[in-house]
Amino acid sequence: GAVVSQHPSWVICKSGTSVKIECRSLDFQATTMFWYRQFPKQSLMLMATSNEGSKATYEQGVEKDKFLINHASLTLSTLTVTSAHPEDSSFYICSARDLRRASYGTDTQYFGPGTRLTVL
Amino acid sequence: RKEVEQDPGPFNVPEGATVAFNCTYSNSASQSFFWYRQDCRKEPKLLMSVYSSGNEDGRFTAQLNRASQYISLLIRDSKLSDSATYLCVVNLNTGNQFYFGTGTSLTVIP
Repeated sequence: GAVVSQHPSWVICKSGTSVKIECRSLDFQATTMFWYRQFPKQSLMLMATSNEGSKATYEQGVEKDKFLINHASLTLSTLTVTSAHPEDSSFYICSARDLRRASYGTDTQYFGPGTRLTVL
Repeated sequence: RKEVEQDPGPFNVPEGATVAFNCTYSNSASQSFFWYRQDCRKEPKLLMSVYSSGNEDGRFTAQLNRASQYISLLIRDSKLSDSATYLCVVNLNTGNQFYFGTGTSLTVIP
């Protein structure tokens, strides 16, 4: 259980275009999903926390108008990088929280396989 | 002060060695603790949860010391396939506040 998928796994786009990344929890309902980015040889950086049916909470320094997050259902959250530029090239990873495990004290996040974005 | 701190390493150990990582956390209200493993250019994967009484999974042992506010991961009989970055994660259980360490890099050498 606790499988999270992400699509696409990699994308190359021209500067100025928008890219949409999907994150799905396949075998559980995720009221909360998280979006991270990771640059080479650096640690994960939390971008935003996405709650189903409400607005995402963005971390300081992350532009909400540039990184649009939609969490329309209990199994799907999307991140759209608008007007992407080369500096947005990164590894974007989503994760979902499996609240079924909360009562066991093992409530944690399960990560999707990531999306490698390259902006030319 | 960071919520979670880890020695970034790198740790380079020979095959078969025993290696231990520590991770300290600053918030005494922290409730849940986890170790993740991240391979190069891949997503983090849950390795094990850390329980108050300590827990073992094969060659891996995790322990929690609430008094000193640290968790540890012990790997016995290291394999080449254990080479990865190990992330320590702490959750306050009061919401969606998960804190990640920066990771400890391990390379097991033949």
